[in-house]
Amino acid sequence: GAVVSQHPSRVICKSGTSVKIECRSLDFQATTMFWYRQFPKQSLMLMATSNEGSKATYEQGVEKDKFLINHASLTLSTLTVTSAHPEDSSFYICSASSGAVGETQYFGPGTRLLVL
Amino acid sequence: AQSVTQPDIHITVSEGASLELRCNYSYGATPYLFWYVQSPGQGLQLLLKYFSGDTLVQGIKGFEAEFKRSQSSYNLRKPSVHWSDAAEYFCAAKGFGNEKLTFGTGTRLTIIP
Repeated sequence: GAVVSQHPSRVICKSGTSVKIECRSLDFQATTMFWYRQFPKQSLMLMATSNEGSKATYEQGVEKDKFLINHASLTLSTLTVTSAHPEDSSFYICSASSGAVGETQYFGPGTRLLVL
Repeated sequence: AQSVTQPDIHITVSEGASLELRCNYSYGATPYLFWYVQSPGQGLQLLLKYFSGDTLVQGIKGFEAEFKRSQSSYNLRKPSVHWSDAAEYFCAAKGFGNEKLTFGTGTRLTIIP
């Protein structure tokens, strides 16, 4: 149980376009979802926390107008990278939890974004 | 400030040898503790977690971790490693009532024949 999927697994886009990444909890209801960014050979950097039906909470330094997060249902959250630039190229990972205190975060397989 | 420290950036172990990966935390109260493993180009897989109770926790793939309050540590161990254990290992912690995970910087494990 506790499976999280992400789509797409890889995406290549041109500079200036927008890219949407989906994160789905397949066998549980995720009241909270998290979006991380990971640079090569580094740890995960939390970008934002989203609770179903409310606005996402962004970490300091993360541009909310550039990284749009929507958590419309208990099983789906989306991250849209708007007007992508080469510096946005990275590995994006989502995680999901049921929101109860101490509940475990289960991670998706990640999405590799390359902006040309 | 809350933090998680993994002192070893890279560890090399022979196949079949034992393994211990170190993790120390700095929190006001004992946090919830986790170990995750990440293979190249993949997401994170949960190996085991400690919330309370028995301080020796058994996880998947033959891993175990021991919580030691006196040392603020949660070290990961495996008695005999396999080549497929080569990966990046992350220790993480979450405070009571806090949604966010704090990650260590990770330890890269290399297995040699």
